[in-house]
Amino acid sequence: DARVTQTPRHKVTEMGQEVTMRCQPILGHNTVFWYRQTMMQGLELLAYFRNRAPLDDSGMPKDRFSAEMPDATLATLKIQPSEPRDSAVYFCASGLGQLATFFGPGTRLTVL
Amino acid sequence: GESVGLHLPTLSVQEGDNSIINCAYSNSASDYFIWYKQESGKGPQFIIDIRSNMDKRQGQRVTVLLNKTVKHLSLQIAATQPGDSAVYFCAETLNTDKLIFGTGTRLQVFP
Repeated sequence: DARVTQTPRHKVTEMGQEVTMRCQPILGHNTVFWYRQTMMQGLELLAYFRNRAPLDDSGMPKDRFSAEMPDATLATLKIQPSEPRDSAVYFCASGLGQLATFFGPGTRLTVL
Repeated sequence: GESVGLHLPTLSVQEGDNSIINCAYSNSASDYFIWYKQESGKGPQFIIDIRSNMDKRQGQRVTVLLNKTVKHLSLQIAATQPGDSAVYFCAETLNTDKLIFGTGTRLQVFP
């Protein structure tokens, strides 16, 4: 049963600390997305990659957020330094071409 | 834990009834649409999709209708069950893989 995996599932940290979230997309999928979900904003696209190349990161605060794909099996989203307003659930999703996108279980981030 | 909008529209139905969830999409040029279901504490789960060259598509207990004239999408769930209780999102895209999500509708199923 192929699925997107994310680690950690929960993260509590203090303001100013670095946070790294990891995602393993479904094997064979060539597009990877990072979404953020909050009660106020709903689901927001932060960045996405195709064949490991970043295509759009316009939804991401550039000064503190960075997204990378070191290889086809790993995507990372890093926040440095973290702020309380970054508290949210961060979802990774993967897809193949324009086929349906499948979401991971999310990382719930709390920044104190 | 809940992670969706505070003021989501809510649809309450009785178990066994049919449900219709509506969505108004934003871009008349969008050519591909997906309905997702999100249960509490989980990521969105794909339910059904439809391309703009179709106006209806059926799955198991679900049907999606597309009206491009008024930019309207609906999800029909037949014989709604308690396990269908969740937040439902529509998403649209145009020629890319970049999905734009709607705000969501909460479905509550009562016994």
